[in-house]
Amino acid sequence: DQQVKQNSPSLSVQEGRISILNCDYTNSMFDYFLWYKKYPAEGPTFLISISSIKDKNEDGRFTVFLNKSAKHLSLHIVPSQPGDSAVYFCAASRTTSGTYKYIFGTGTRLKVLA
Amino acid sequence: DAGVTQSPTHLIKTRGQHVTLRCSPISGHKSVSWYQQVLGQGPQFIFQYYEKEERGRGNFPDRFSARQFPNYSSELNVNALLLGDSALYLCASSLALAGVSTGELFFGEGSRLTVL
Repeated sequence: DQQVKQNSPSLSVQEGRISILNCDYTNSMFDYFLWYKKYPAEGPTFLISISSIKDKNEDGRFTVFLNKSAKHLSLHIVPSQPGDSAVYFCAASRTTSGTYKYIFGTGTRLKVLA
Repeated sequence: DAGVTQSPTHLIKTRGQHVTLRCSPISGHKSVSWYQQVLGQGPQFIFQYYEKEERGRGNFPDRFSARQFPNYSSELNVNALLLGDSALYLCASSLALAGVSTGELFFGEGSRLTVL
């Protein structure tokens, strides 16, 4: 049962434009969400997080939106840069369980074209 | 400041063998988690340890075990290796558990295990 889904395996965007990566989840008990970026041969790097008490969190070029009723979150990157080309994972957790057990999606490969 | 360090970075084993993977968390972090990432998939939760106690276990067989030491470093052990255990094993550290601090996990570069 895939509780966190990233339905787009890949995305190509022109440099300078907006990249929008989407993530859906099924468990309404999830209350903390993160986005990670992964380059080949490296571990995932934390990008941005959002708690379920918020619907938006912004950090520089990165903004995460959370729509709890739709069980959907998205990551916006503006403007996109060639260095943003990587695989992006969303992850969700139920922090009331007392652990940070994160459920990850399968990832979206973003390619930013120069 | 050093990040999360893992060793070895690459290793090759044969079916039935045993493997030990090691992880040192970021200084000051008391929690270590282990994840398995198979090619084309997202990381899958295996274990979380906090203050040397197991605080969470994923859906993995008993062949997988782990422990955390007084200095907060951790080992992941896998017995009776199967071909399907071939994967990237990621260690992540965090300050604490839910409700105590923010929940970001900081990952190491991983140990790439190939089982032949």
